[in-house]
Amino acid sequence: SQTIHQWPATLVQPVGSPLSLECTVEGTSNPNLYWYRQAAGRGLQLLFYSVGIGQISSEVPQNLSASRPQDRQFILSSKKLLLSDSGFYLCAWTGTSNYGYTFGSGTRLTVV
Amino acid sequence: AQKVTQAQTEISVVEKEDVTLDCVYETRDTTYYLFWYKQPPSGELVFLIRRNSFDEQNEISGRYSWNFQKSTSSFNFTITASQVVDSAVYFCALSGVWGAQKLVFGQGTRLTINP
Repeated sequence: SQTIHQWPATLVQPVGSPLSLECTVEGTSNPNLYWYRQAAGRGLQLLFYSVGIGQISSEVPQNLSASRPQDRQFILSSKKLLLSDSGFYLCAWTGTSNYGYTFGSGTRLTVV
Repeated sequence: AQKVTQAQTEISVVEKEDVTLDCVYETRDTTYYLFWYKQPPSGELVFLIRRNSFDEQNEISGRYSWNFQKSTSSFNFTITASQVVDSAVYFCALSGVWGAQKLVFGQGTRLTINP
């Protein structure tokens, strides 16, 4: 069966520190992968998506970047965090049938 | 561009009442998918339903039902005989069928069921 792993669950980082959030998918190949962010009390905003290894599309200009070094691995990074980067980050994947997105359990990031 | 509007920011009802969450969407695509997700306090998104734009039949799943009306670009969600466990934020979302299939979310409706 297909599963998606996202870690860590909670993270508190100081302003100016680097960030690396990892997401991996099991049980499927060549998935579409996505990073979403949810600011406190707001909806979900698509940050990046990838349709293949090394292929990254950015939806919103920001302090973050994404990489896909392997088929089922998607990484969200920042060199220097800002207070405005705080939020709930969700990784997701879809297959070719787009039966529906499968979301990870999320990472709650607080930048202090 | 695609857009999803959930005009109801918060709804509060008493347990056992019926409640309808509204969703209106905009898209230029002739084929698309519509979704509803539930987000409990834990934060994880729980998939509830996917509807293909070709299929306008209403769907019922237990106490949940969905009313898709292409003529008014609406995809409303009704919970019958609400329960406290239904308390959550509910998101309506839209995606294309081909390519990257980016999912566009509404702002969500916070539903509180009071005992």
